[in-house]
Amino acid sequence: KQEVTQIPAALSVPEGENLVLNCSFTDSAIYNLQWFRQDPGKGLTSLLLIQSSQREQTSGRLNASLDKSSGRSTLYIAASQPGDSATYLCAVSHSGNTPLVFGKGTRLSVIA
Amino acid sequence: EAQVTQNPRYLITVTGKKLTVTCSQNMNHEYMSWYRQDPGLGLRQIYYSMNVEVTDKGDVPEGYKVSRKEKRNFPLILESPSPNQTSLYFCASMMGTFTDTQYFGPGTRLTVL
Repeated sequence: KQEVTQIPAALSVPEGENLVLNCSFTDSAIYNLQWFRQDPGKGLTSLLLIQSSQREQTSGRLNASLDKSSGRSTLYIAASQPGDSATYLCAVSHSGNTPLVFGKGTRLSVIA
Repeated sequence: EAQVTQNPRYLITVTGKKLTVTCSQNMNHEYMSWYRQDPGLGLRQIYYSMNVEVTDKGDVPEGYKVSRKEKRNFPLILESPSPNQTSLYFCASMMGTFTDTQYFGPGTRLTVL
């Protein structure tokens, strides 16, 4: 059964720092991997989607990489801002009609 | 505006009183899904639907029902709610294949007393 782990569970950084969030998964037979952002009491917003054939995706200050063979993904946030404070969730689509499997998230606080 | 809407956003009810949480999307998506989110357990899928009249169980379907009579709507039904169904519920949709992004609704916070 696919398991997704996110480390660290929580992270606090000063404004302006570059940071990396980690995601690992146990079964490398995935269709894609997505990174989501969740603000307190709110729904999830998709940040980046990496297909299994891709190595990375970029959107603004965000860059996500995927190493399928080792079961790892990272989300790099450049020049962090207080507005980046949220919980970041990693999810993999395993195969066929199986559902997204989510990690438990990393709660990020960017201190001004 | 492309969106997934859920109603109600907040609900407090009592054990055994049937309730329905509605979900609607305006993006003509084929795939819709319900998740629950609990502290320490993360997001888990309850049910999903690949298209109209096609539904299937996710990881935690016990105590829930769904229907998909129209493409845009995917209601979640709790026939006899129990306190262990107190949770934050999310509806999601996507176009049709697992190569696509899922779009999530704002969530429904349910408390069962």
